[in-house]
Amino acid sequence: EVQLVQSGAEVKKPGESLKISCKGSGYSFTSYWIGWVRQMPGKGLEWMGIIYPGDSDTRYSPSFQGQVTISADKSISTAYLQWSSLKASDTAMYYCARHDGGNSPGLLWGQGTLVTVSS
Amino acid sequence: EIVLTQSPGTLSLSPGERATLSCRASQSVSSSYLAWYQQKPGQAPRLLIYGASSRATGIPDRFSGSGSGTDFTLTISRLEPEDFAVYYCQQYGSSPRSFGQGTKLEIK
Repeated sequence: EVQLVQSGAEVKKPGESLKISCKGSGYSFTSYWIGWVRQMPGKGLEWMGIIYPGDSDTRYSPSFQGQVTISADKSISTAYLQWSSLKASDTAMYYCARHDGGNSPGLLWGQGTLVTVSS
Repeated sequence: EIVLTQSPGTLSLSPGERATLSCRASQSVSSSYLAWYQQKPGQAPRLLIYGASSRATGIPDRFSGSGSGTDFTLTISRLEPEDFAVYYCQQYGSSPRSFGQGTKLEIK
């Protein structure tokens, strides 16, 4: 079965670091882009950035550039989203999505990872 | 950056009625790279329409998309109970791949 499975919910304190994951299975992981989307509580979708695991080509939204790091380990078919110092405003649901090409929408989505940042 | 504005913010209709959702872009969307997603509470978004008017696999034909340039429309011809959800448009032709703010389709 073709799917993206994300890591579980996290509860962190401000200032802590975090890395969440998105594991692809059932397809050639290096042949498709993986994007990340944020959804703050009760709010809409925000596009964060995208990575091509084949060569690690990465693009960020200006809103998230410098705030997060997107990476991938093709040896284990996993993409990552990480923070070096979390803020309360990072509290949100984070989704990964597979894109079938450089200019294609997100067809296959992960189930989401809820990140809660609270002191 | 392309800003997408969806209207209305909330649409109240009854099952069986026709729904028309709008998405307007601040500048022309390249090659009609415009998608529509449906999101229900507690679920990930689901792709409905891509390329402005092509239905994704498995999407019922009561969903249709149209438009080009800066004005796009999602139409649901006859609403079913399971169609009440939030709908987002997204342009994916230029970076960053922006989303609209969403239209909530609620039961009247």
